Amino acid sequence: QKEVEQDPGPLSVPEGAIVSLNCTYSNSAFQYFMWYRQYSRKGPELLMYTYSSGNKEDGRFTAQVDKSSKYISLFIRDSQPSDSATYLCAMSAGGRGSTLGRLYFGRGTQLTVWP
Amino acid sequence: EAQVTQNPRYLITVTGKKLTVTCSQNMNHEYMSWYRQDPGLGLRQIYYSMNVEVTDKGDVPEGYKVSRKEKRNFPLILESPSPNQTSLYFCASSPNWEASNYGYTFGSGTRLTVV
Repeated sequence: QKEVEQDPGPLSVPEGAIVSLNCTYSNSAFQYFMWYRQYSRKGPELLMYTYSSGNKEDGRFTAQVDKSSKYISLFIRDSQPSDSATYLCAMSAGGRGSTLGRLYFGRGTQLTVWP
Repeated sequence: EAQVTQNPRYLITVTGKKLTVTCSQNMNHEYMSWYRQDPGLGLRQIYYSMNVEVTDKGDVPEGYKVSRKEKRNFPLILESPSPNQTSLYFCASSPNWEASNYGYTFGSGTRLTVV
């Protein structure tokens, strides 16, 4: 079983829709959770990060972490065509030894927001 | 501008011909890492470096070498490339290993094709 599972989509929504992107994971040691956005032919760029459980909001974006269910989500409100990209979740245990400095990525979900 | 610069952006080479992909960052970051991105598999870590002269294997190190002689540079070396190393490669950096838990800065990628 892959450490981080993410539905690759594709996901296609109309402009203005609320988008929900999700990842599940198997390693209960993960404490740091990130979402990256990757436009075509570009490197991933960090959107948001959270530590442990809870919610974090930044403009139209909300990240949620439910450690009890090993489930994280990214919500995009009032989606725009410029949000069309691949969204990658990533997580880390943050510890020493074999997990030191290691990020584990989901496969990415391809999102298209049409006008 | 703070950035991670990879060169070349595109490379086509033949099996067995040694090549080097360069990575340079101008942010005085201690932590640097190489990833490959393949369809259906997502981003997988090849090697990482905590600081100058400190490197370690990631999840898929076979067939690759790295060196970290200077803080800003972290080249990826393929001594004898094979077709299964055809992929999209990303270099990434963060201020230190602890900050890497909160996300990396990625380069724009190198698309390598081995024929």
